[in-house]
Amino acid sequence: ETGVTQSPTHLIKTRGQQVTLRCSSQSGHNTVSWYQQALGQGPQFIFQYYREEENGRGNFPPRFSGLQFPNYSSELNVNALELDDSALYLCASSSRGVGNYGYTFGSGTRLTVV
Amino acid sequence: DQQVKQNSPSLSVQEGRISILNCDYTNSMFDYFLWYKKYPAEGPTFLISISSIKDKNEDGRFTVFLNKSAKHLSLHIVPSQPGDSAVYFCAAIDQGGKLIFGQGTELSVKP
Repeated sequence: ETGVTQSPTHLIKTRGQQVTLRCSSQSGHNTVSWYQQALGQGPQFIFQYYREEENGRGNFPPRFSGLQFPNYSSELNVNALELDDSALYLCASSSRGVGNYGYTFGSGTRLTVV
Repeated sequence: DQQVKQNSPSLSVQEGRISILNCDYTNSMFDYFLWYKKYPAEGPTFLISISSIKDKNEDGRFTVFLNKSAKHLSLHIVPSQPGDSAVYFCAAIDQGGKLIFGQGTELSVKP
């Protein structure tokens, strides 16, 4: 059983640029959630994808968008990067509809915006 | 609006003693809570959970206590080991099924 894989592990971007982060979900999981963890804070929910559709969104602007693919992998896209977007981005997969709260997290992508 | 709060950013404990990490929540609709442990450069890993129909759940050295009337939960680690040094996050599941995290408490267990 493979876990959750995120790529890249580290990334440096310039303010105003766009970035795409990737996540491969754990085998057997059909739901992917994305979280942003700023320094010294707990992870904040960005959005969740189930059956290739957004299924719940946190308090993040529209320039944060995502995709889920038929194999349940997912992308997080952030446009017009701002300095405050610098954070650790975590992906978590789970199995929706089974009454299972077994979220499995990836190791994250550390994004630095300069 | 921080619905899950961990008011102690750090805790230092001697090896072999008890570690107690605290968490408060404001939303009385939360009915499932989890604790995660996070090492640097790794994602959070699930530690233990508790449903609101219980007031205690135990797994080896880890016990979680839930006081619904006080909207408070705590994680006890006995005995604490140096390998337990990490950041611990308390989280609640909201009505939409997403995790709401606290700010985290950094535990340091000294030999």
